[in-house]
Amino acid sequence: GENVEQHPSTLSVQEGDSAVIKCTYSDSASNYFPWYKQELGKGPQLIIDIRSNVGEKKDQRIAVTLNKTAKHFSLHITETQPEDSAVYFCAASKDSGNTPLVFGKGTRLSVIA
Amino acid sequence: DSGVTQTPKHLITATGQRVTLRCSPRSGDLSVYWYQQSLDQGLQFLIQYYNGEERAKGNILERFSAQQFPDLHSELNLSSLELGDSALYFCASSVAIRGSAGELFFGEGSRLTVL
Repeated sequence: GENVEQHPSTLSVQEGDSAVIKCTYSDSASNYFPWYKQELGKGPQLIIDIRSNVGEKKDQRIAVTLNKTAKHFSLHITETQPEDSAVYFCAASKDSGNTPLVFGKGTRLSVIA
Repeated sequence: DSGVTQTPKHLITATGQRVTLRCSPRSGDLSVYWYQQSLDQGLQFLIQYYNGEERAKGNILERFSAQQFPDLHSELNLSSLELGDSALYFCASSVAIRGSAGELFFGEGSRLTVL
């Protein structure tokens, strides 16, 4: 089955700097790659996703890139703000079969004011 | 507010006991997923139901079982509890049958502590 590796497990950045979180996946058939943000005491919430027919997607200060050949995808957050502090999860899934979303182990991002 | 309701929010029990966690999905969502979140393992998929039928199964222990009722709410039953079952259990719902087809909406979780 699918295996998703996520790095780093913790990340501290100064406010205003950029943050990058990287994930690799094992199943070449995976074609859907969402990112979820989990704030303290809350459930994860989708912030951006990308499908395998697209190499990059942006939404204001966040962007996701996908390299299908290397089987890795990354989340980029620019101009970080204290409210970006949270745990971020990458995930992967595919259209075929009864396959759920498989999540990485998460990255705890701390934005220092 | 995601629209997904989980009860109870916190639960403390002893080893060997049995507990039931309840989830009400967003209105109109037919898929319900259960995930276990522990400190070192991230979000581990347990099981998915779609419109009352089991759709996919992950690393769910035999001591655990789940079901989805005709009104689409779901229950996760955990029995013969062990210390290692202490975790945050999330329910998520989606309108789609497949995880790749769209957003999962997560509840706020049920924190289980086994003493």
